[in-house]
Amino acid sequence: AQKVTQAQTEISVVEKEDVTLDCVYETRDTTYYLFWYKQPPSGELVFLIRRNSFDEQNEISGRYSWNFQKSTSSFNFTITASQVVDSAVYFCALSEPTGGFKTIFGAGTRLFVKA
Amino acid sequence: KAGVTQTPRYLIKTRGQQVTLSCSPISGHRSVSWYQQTPGQGLQFLFEYFSETQRNKGNFPGRFSGRQFSNSRSEMNVSTLELGDSALYLCASSLAQGTGGGNEQFFGPGTRLTVL
Repeated sequence: AQKVTQAQTEISVVEKEDVTLDCVYETRDTTYYLFWYKQPPSGELVFLIRRNSFDEQNEISGRYSWNFQKSTSSFNFTITASQVVDSAVYFCALSEPTGGFKTIFGAGTRLFVKA
Repeated sequence: KAGVTQTPRYLIKTRGQQVTLSCSPISGHRSVSWYQQTPGQGLQFLFEYFSETQRNKGNFPGRFSGRQFSNSRSEMNVSTLELGDSALYLCASSLAQGTGGGNEQFFGPGTRLTVL
């Protein structure tokens, strides 16, 4: 069963636009962890954020913000005032006790930011 | 602190051959996980090692195997290569077992394997 769904395959925006990347997850565990990773064209995945299931506070880090809503099983990621350097593939991931905490990644959303 | 290193970065093999990929985690990290990334299947978990023991395994055939050494360095081996094994193989290290406790993973640049 699909555990992490990133319905947006590709998104294209113009620089300075805001963009939201959607992530919906599925788990039966009450304790779990959600992550976002960025994979730039160079290929190396870069950790962006971790959120545990007991912390529904939204987080803002510079131009990045995350909205975690357990009621809708969503963990969405917003980039404000996008820049060309934001162009990358973004992965949402889930880690849960069932299955030994291995990380399950979504299919990824490819973001193109045009100058 | 040096990041996760993977060798080789690129590899070309032919069907039926075997291949060994190497991963050196960040110093102090005891958990190493391997992933296969392909355009069709995305990022798929292969296995995870912690303190020289395989603690988790993904849904891959037995041709895929791995090990971890006492210094936490890890190798993965693919025997009897098939065309479908062509992929980017990523290694990730973290402080704890997998992401237990919510530890983030640090990824290497990957080894791009092409099977002809």
